[in-house]
Amino acid sequence: GDQVEQSPSALSLHEGTGSALRCNFTTTMRAVQWFQQNSRGSLINLFYLASGTKENGRLKSTFNSKESYSTLHIRDAQLEDSGTYFCAAPPPSSFSKLVFGQGTSLSVVP
Amino acid sequence: DPKIIQKPKYLVAVTGSEKILICEQYLGHNAMYWYRQSAKKPLEFMFSYSYQKLMDNQTASSRFQPQSSKKNHLDLQITALKPDDSATYFCASSPDWYEQYFGPGTRLTVL
Repeated sequence: GDQVEQSPSALSLHEGTGSALRCNFTTTMRAVQWFQQNSRGSLINLFYLASGTKENGRLKSTFNSKESYSTLHIRDAQLEDSGTYFCAAPPPSSFSKLVFGQGTSLSVVP
Repeated sequence: DPKIIQKPKYLVAVTGSEKILICEQYLGHNAMYWYRQSAKKPLEFMFSYSYQKLMDNQTASSRFQPQSSKKNHLDLQITALKPDDSATYFCASSPDWYEQYFGPGTRLTVL
């Protein structure tokens, strides 16, 4: 079936450092969304990409549909960046849904 | 002001009962969705609607029935509740089939 594989499953960062999260797709997706799920359980929209790269503050995301992957870069991590990050994509089999990855649990420590 | 309202925020039900989860969106979107998230798992798609018509249904059980009385409403009726139905249920909406926006969720516990 349509799969979205996220890595790493968990990540710990010291404040001020950065890292990259990755999503691999088992089939060609037409777009990708990235979300942060905070401690209250709310899903916060970070990016929607149909191609290329977008940047917003300390976050940057890239989507390469041909090579079936997307990345989310976090730089200068802050404590409030802690949470679970999900990527999700609409599969070609059904344009009206999102398939979610397993998530990356990010912990930012002082 | 919240753009997607889900009610109630928390819900406790007994096994075998019936509950309705409410969702209203004020983003002017024509597509609405339901997803479910069990403890520490990713969200799983349940239903999608466009202009009040069912577009996709990935829920095997007929105990889950979406109801759309208005274009910006998509409620979820769950009958004969089971403990395995315990989860957080998220409503979402989007303009056509593009970027989806999620409500705050309803956390359902079935005892």
